Amino acid sequence: SQTIHQWPATLVQPVGSPLSLECTVEGTSNPNLYWYRQAAGRGLQLLFYSVGIGQISSEVPQNLSASRPQDRQFILSSKKLLLSDSGFYLCAGRDRAGSGNTIYFGEGSWLTVV
Amino acid sequence: QKEVEQDPGPLSVPEGAIVSLNCTYSNSAFQYFMWYRQYSRKGPELLMYTYSSGNKEDGRFTAQVDKSSKYISLFIRDSQPSDSATYLCAMSKAAGNKLTFGGGTRVLVKP
Repeated sequence: SQTIHQWPATLVQPVGSPLSLECTVEGTSNPNLYWYRQAAGRGLQLLFYSVGIGQISSEVPQNLSASRPQDRQFILSSKKLLLSDSGFYLCAGRDRAGSGNTIYFGEGSWLTVV
Repeated sequence: QKEVEQDPGPLSVPEGAIVSLNCTYSNSAFQYFMWYRQYSRKGPELLMYTYSSGNKEDGRFTAQVDKSSKYISLFIRDSQPSDSATYLCAMSKAAGNKLTFGGGTRVLVKP
């Protein structure tokens, strides 16, 4: 099965500063990749998904953007952070071969905007 | 109304008891059902994956799907303190489709 690596694990950023969260995938090729946000005590909100290099779909309008420069690399960015961007960000991947309907998550990145 | 409803808990049980979790959903098109376990400040990990109606057992875990009632369940037998976590249900309409998650149920197993 695939392994999802995310970094940084924790970060505290001031309002108006830029953001870059990185995600890489091992153990598979050409996966579908996802960025989720989980607010405290709430479920997972899908932010972006990608079916291939350079192909990004946005689920909700927001202050964030995503890019996929390589097959197994997915980046979440912001030019200017808002307080409301605080939360737990999870990268996830779905292997298109085999049991392609299950997704696997990384360990997450905790973002606090102050 | 949310597509997938899940009681947030917390659900507190003594060690060794059976933990019973469930989700209800409104869209009859969902056919693939999953349960994830999430420890505090960690990413969710897949526990169970089932297709359509029926039961599936894996060790101490049993997943049930009742599509006629739009209701899915997860049972944890002989619960351990290490089972203390948040349990998320998820479902999709077809293989490869996006997953819709419940809000999660927090479980506390007390020694």
